[in-house]
Amino acid sequence: NAGVTQTPKFQVLKTGQSMTLQCAQDMNHEYMSWYRQDPGMGLRLIHYSVGAGITDQGEVPNGYNVSRSTTEDFPLRLLSAAPSQTSVYFCASSYEGGGPNEQFFGPGTRLTVL
Amino acid sequence: SQELEQSPQSLIVQEGKNLTINCTSSKTLYGLYWYKQKYGEGLIFLMMLQKGGEEKSHEKITAKLDEKKQQSSLHITASQPSHAGIYLCGAATIYNFNKFYFGSGTKLNVKP
Repeated sequence: NAGVTQTPKFQVLKTGQSMTLQCAQDMNHEYMSWYRQDPGMGLRLIHYSVGAGITDQGEVPNGYNVSRSTTEDFPLRLLSAAPSQTSVYFCASSYEGGGPNEQFFGPGTRLTVL
Repeated sequence: SQELEQSPQSLIVQEGKNLTINCTSSKTLYGLYWYKQKYGEGLIFLMMLQKGGEEKSHEKITAKLDEKKQQSSLHITASQPSHAGIYLCGAATIYNFNKFYFGSGTKLNVKP
């Protein structure tokens, strides 16, 4: 199993550009989520999904869109990038949401917005 | 996040010394998780605690959950350079167990 994969690993955008961060898992996990990690702030939940067709907002959803058309994929879209979105983005998945389940994390995407 | 307070923010210890990291939740916990992150890399799951009084160990790392205090402690015995990294506590609360919060992390350096 590849686990949780994220592409790209690094990305530089100009303010106002749009892009999609890709996340895929091959563990048939129902729950998937996106986090951003900023220095001194730990991880903050952006959006999450408890299954295909179901998404919900996390702690910091503004400026980001998600959709979940398949169990395997959970892309994160930045519609109009801003310097405040410079961060490291992590995707995670688990068998079910919450509960006594380990979240498996991807390797991260380092995004810089100029 | 404001929901999870983690302390200390950073720690430098001599190899062989013991250390403790604390994580306190402002909301009633559904489950608490400990992760380790090596600099520039993803998160590695250490253990999960759900029941008050629960204690789990992974090699030389032990975590306990004090349900009354909504607090967990992570204790490393006889620290080694391989223990260096960032330790993060994460939690889901009873209000929405699909929404995870993370503490700000503890940076641990172990001096040989």
